[in-house]
Amino acid sequence: EVELLDSGGGLVQPGGSLRLSCAASGFTFSSYAMSWVRQAPGKGLEWVSAIGASGGSTYYADSVKGRFTISRDNSRDTLYLQMNSLRAEDTAVYYCAKDRGVHVSNGFDYWGQGTLVTVSS
Amino acid sequence: EIVLTQSPGTLSLSPGERATLSCRASQSVSSSSLAWYQQKPGQAPRLLIYGASSRATGIPDRFSGSGSGTDFTLTISRLEPEDFAVYYCQQYGNSPLTFGGGTKVEIK
Repeated sequence: EVELLDSGGGLVQPGGSLRLSCAASGFTFSSYAMSWVRQAPGKGLEWVSAIGASGGSTYYADSVKGRFTISRDNSRDTLYLQMNSLRAEDTAVYYCAKDRGVHVSNGFDYWGQGTLVTVSS
Repeated sequence: EIVLTQSPGTLSLSPGERATLSCRASQSVSSSSLAWYQQKPGQAPRLLIYGASSRATGIPDRFSGSGSGTDFTLTISRLEPEDFAVYYCQQYGNSPLTFGGGTKVEIK
């Protein structure tokens, strides 16, 4: 059974940093692209970042480019999102999502449960 | 960036009725790289349809997708109580990946 366990969220001050993790199990992690998608309170879905199966290709939304870094450790079956220079508008539930294919993207067939990031002083 | 516009914003229907949800793209979506997701309150989204018309694993056949180019449709043939939720379309053929604003299907 595919499982994605998001963690690392919390309360952080504007300008601060946070690292999210997504522990994967139930599938061959190194064979699939992965993404982060966020959802601000009461709002719709926003794609944040994606990474290819090998980690060699990365993609970012303009809203986070230069501040967030996506990475993966295929030996640990874990996806990461390093978030720096956080702003109030980054407040959201962050979901990791498994892509259907090796390359970005073919749609997301499994999602984590989400982890809440709150940016506030 | 491809902007996806979903309509209507809210659909009020009764169980057993047919639901037709629209997703219009600001430019052509390459290779029909269009997906539909269902989201219930407090839950993560669930993939329903990919490639504009292919049902994901375990999705009942009352859900169907159609369309190409800039106009796509999700149809729920007969609404079951568990189908009342918010539905999002997503294009994944061009970066940045984008989602529509969602259609809420509520009980009338």
